[in-house]
Amino acid sequence: EDQVTQSPEALRLQEGESSSLNCSYTVSGLRGLFWYRQDPGKGPEFLFTLYSAGEEKEKERLKATLTKKESFLHITAPKPEDSATYLCAVQAGTGFQKLVFGTGTRLLVSP
Amino acid sequence: DVKVTQSSRYLVKRTGEKVFLECVQDMDHENMFWYRQDPGLGLRLIYFSYDVKMKEKGDIPEGYSVSREKKERFSLILESASTNQTSMYLCASSLVGAPSSYNEQFFGPGTRLTVL
Repeated sequence: EDQVTQSPEALRLQEGESSSLNCSYTVSGLRGLFWYRQDPGKGPEFLFTLYSAGEEKEKERLKATLTKKESFLHITAPKPEDSATYLCAVQAGTGFQKLVFGTGTRLLVSP
Repeated sequence: DVKVTQSSRYLVKRTGEKVFLECVQDMDHENMFWYRQDPGLGLRLIYFSYDVKMKEKGDIPEGYSVSREKKERFSLILESASTNQTSMYLCASSLVGAPSSYNEQFFGPGTRLTVL
């Protein structure tokens, strides 16, 4: 069974304090790994797609990386507006475009 | 930008009522999805559709049905609402219908449904 585990469940940072969120996965043939940001009471907002091990993508203070077993979302010098829940999802080789989601990491950045 | 809209942000219904949740996307996407999101369980797929009038069960279809009469619109129906269907419901859409594709899904703002 395809599984996605995110850690930590919650993370509290001071503004400017860099850190990383982890997404480990077990799937039968990874087609894509997706990162989303979700603000309270809203739908997830797409951030990145990673397709193969070694791939990296960046957007402002966020950088996502991928290995064969896990992905990291690195947050460099975070600001309070980066506070949100970050979701990771994978699309496996079997099953029609089905995404399997992790339960997310709640990030709080204090000024 | 892709826009996915959902008919209601908040909804309160009584046990046994038939409930309709509507979702509309404006980017001509072939695929549409319904998820529910619960604390500690993450997003779970209820149903998806890869074409008009086509539908496939997701992981938790029991107690739900769907309808897709037009490409841009995908409806989720709770035939007889129960308290355990109280949840956040999220609609999403994505481009391309081929099984080999892996395009990102774009989400609507969600409907917070409470069943009393």
